[in-house]
Amino acid sequence: GNSVTQMEGPVTLSEEAFLTINCTYTATGYPSLFWYVQYPGEGLQLLLKATKADDKGSNKGFEATYRKETTSFHLEKGSVQVSDSAVYFCALSLPFYGGATNKLIFGTGTLLAVQP
Amino acid sequence: EADIYQTPRYLVIGTGKKITLECSQTMGHDKMYWYQQDPGMELHLIHYSYGVNSTEKGDLSSESTVSRIRTEHFPLTLESARPSHTSQYLCASKVGETQYFGPGTRLLVL
Repeated sequence: GNSVTQMEGPVTLSEEAFLTINCTYTATGYPSLFWYVQYPGEGLQLLLKATKADDKGSNKGFEATYRKETTSFHLEKGSVQVSDSAVYFCALSLPFYGGATNKLIFGTGTLLAVQP
Repeated sequence: EADIYQTPRYLVIGTGKKITLECSQTMGHDKMYWYQQDPGMELHLIHYSYGVNSTEKGDLSSESTVSRIRTEHFPLTLESARPSHTSQYLCASKVGETQYFGPGTRLLVL
């Protein structure tokens, strides 16, 4: 079936450290891939996306590259800040998933805590 | 981008009460979704709609119901709230392949 697996948290880093949150997927067809971020007490915000193999999504210093050969979409940031502390969700969307719903399939979320 | 509005943001209510969580968007998007988010962060799709007069149940069975009488509104109703309904409820609408989320409603049923 179609699924998303992301690394378990919490991930605790010091400010200015390098961040990687791993995400791998299983999908039939050609999914679009997304990273969403959820700050405390808020809804999900789209962080970045990629719609085809080798595309790189980027936003606010975060990057992720759509790797079809490894079925991965790892999230990276070169230097994290305290304000990046949040929960990060990897997700995929298939245009004709299940024949109907165009659903997003989410990973379980990774909590990132950045310490000053 | 899409502006998705949810009210109330927080709700504390007693068991047995009827509640309606409001969700609206001003962009004319046809596809809308409701998710329930448990304390462990995982998101579960509970309802979705392809447009006016279209409603479908999602992956997680829910005692809530939804309606879609107008494109811009997608309210969720619980006829009789129970403590097991305590959760965060997130509404979303979709443009192309991308879903945009509202700020969520945190519901606490005592």
